Amino acid sequence: DAGVIQSPRHEVTEMGQEVTLRCKPISGHDYLFWYRQTMMRGLELLIYFNNNVPIDDSGMPEDRFSAKMPNASFSTLKIQPSEPRDSAVYFCASSSRVIEQYFGPGTRLTVT
Amino acid sequence: AQTVTQSQPEMSVQEAETVTLSCTYDTSESDYYLFWYKQPPSRQMILVIRQEAYKQQNATENRFSVNFQKAAKSFSLKISDSQLGDAAMYFCAYRSAKKTSYDKVIFGPGTSLSVIP
Repeated sequence: DAGVIQSPRHEVTEMGQEVTLRCKPISGHDYLFWYRQTMMRGLELLIYFNNNVPIDDSGMPEDRFSAKMPNASFSTLKIQPSEPRDSAVYFCASSSRVIEQYFGPGTRLTVT
Repeated sequence: AQTVTQSQPEMSVQEAETVTLSCTYDTSESDYYLFWYKQPPSRQMILVIRQEAYKQQNATENRFSVNFQKAAKSFSLKISDSQLGDAAMYFCAYRSAKKTSYDKVIFGPGTSLSVIP
């Protein structure tokens, strides 16, 4: 298996622009997680899905953030409009009833 | 709510020596899992080792081993024969084993490990 795939690996955008981050989980995994990592706040869980259904989005910072999982093999995290304080590394992770979460390589987002 | 604490923000070790990273956690549950993840400069989060709370035997993976003290709620990671490639941020993590609980993992703040040649 190729592991969790994220795209793009790097994104640089201007404040106010829409940003879409993409994730393909490991085939057969029924949980998908979106995390944000910053120096100040560490690793934060933003939202997670089970069987394509959002279960807990309490970590989503504000309404500018939204996430979707239209099918078992694809998820997006969208920020609209983006702000400089959104600059961070965004990770997608997936797991099944097997215990561990497997992480993607992350997307480094820079908002100028 | 469960919490995970790593009291050592930074540590260093001489190459080929042994180092121990500390982790404590707080939970009222009796059945859970504990993990150590490694994040090298490449940013990729890599699972290093896993421990089931119901197992008394400490988990080992090659040069990595844990000291799991359930009563003390302590879960330290020992790295033997440290190598330059071990330099990374290490995260301790907790997950409930309840069947009715969702798959949320609680991560500690991390310990940055440097390996000195």
